[in-house]
Amino acid sequence: SAVISQKPSRDICQRGTSLTIQCQVDSQVTMMFWYRQQPGQSLTLIATANQGSEATYESGFVIDKFPISRPNLTFSTLTVSNMSPEDSSIYLCSVGREPGGELFFGEGSRLTVL
Amino acid sequence: QKEVEQNSGPLSVPEGAIASLNCTYSDRGSQSFFWYRQYSGKSPELIMFIYSNGDKEDGRFTAQLNKASQYVSLLIRDSQPSDSATYLCAVNTNAGKSTFGDGTTLTVKP
Repeated sequence: SAVISQKPSRDICQRGTSLTIQCQVDSQVTMMFWYRQQPGQSLTLIATANQGSEATYESGFVIDKFPISRPNLTFSTLTVSNMSPEDSSIYLCSVGREPGGELFFGEGSRLTVL
Repeated sequence: QKEVEQNSGPLSVPEGAIASLNCTYSDRGSQSFFWYRQYSGKSPELIMFIYSNGDKEDGRFTAQLNKASQYVSLLIRDSQPSDSATYLCAVNTNAGKSTFGDGTTLTVKP
C-alpha cells in the first residue's frame, strides 16, 4: 500500500485565480496520476505525472490549464489555472507501483470556485 | 460507446442477500480489472482485482472475468449495511492507466 497526503483538503476560490494542490507519498512510486471527480460522477484521468519530464495529458486536458510538476518519485503538484465554476470538483492524486496494477488514492482536494 | 460501462443504479438489496454488480469494457487489449469501493465523501479503495478468466473469491466478494465477452462482475454475498457505497469498475491496459466506469451505488437495507 501507500500513504498519500494531499493538501489542501478543500478550498474555496474566486473565479480567475489559480490553486496548486500538493501530493506527497510516503515511499517512492513509479506511477503517479491526477484524477478529477465531478459531483456525482466517476473518476476522469487528467494526466500522468512523469518524474523529471512533462506530464502526459489525456484528451480534453491541457498543460496551460492544469500544469503538473513531479520533481521526484514521492511528490507531485497539480495547478488548476484561471479557475471557473466548472472547475469545481474533487481532485485526486493516485499512485501505482507497477503498470497495470492497483491504484492507491489520496483523500482528495475538494475545490469550489465561486 | 463508453470505454467502461456499469449497470445503472442505484441497486438496493436487503441485508443478507447477494448483490451483483456488472461491468463491460470496450478495449480487447485490457489486461487487468479492478473493483473499487467508494464511500460517500471518501476516496476509492480497492476491493478486488482479477487478471485471468474465471472466478476469484475473497471472503464475501467474488470477482468474475470473461474476456471473450469483455465482461467483469462483482458478487457480494451476505450483504451488510456497511457494504452500502458506490462500486467502481476500473480497467487497465498495458499503458498502466486505469479507466473507470460511472459506478453503481449499492444500498443494503437492514
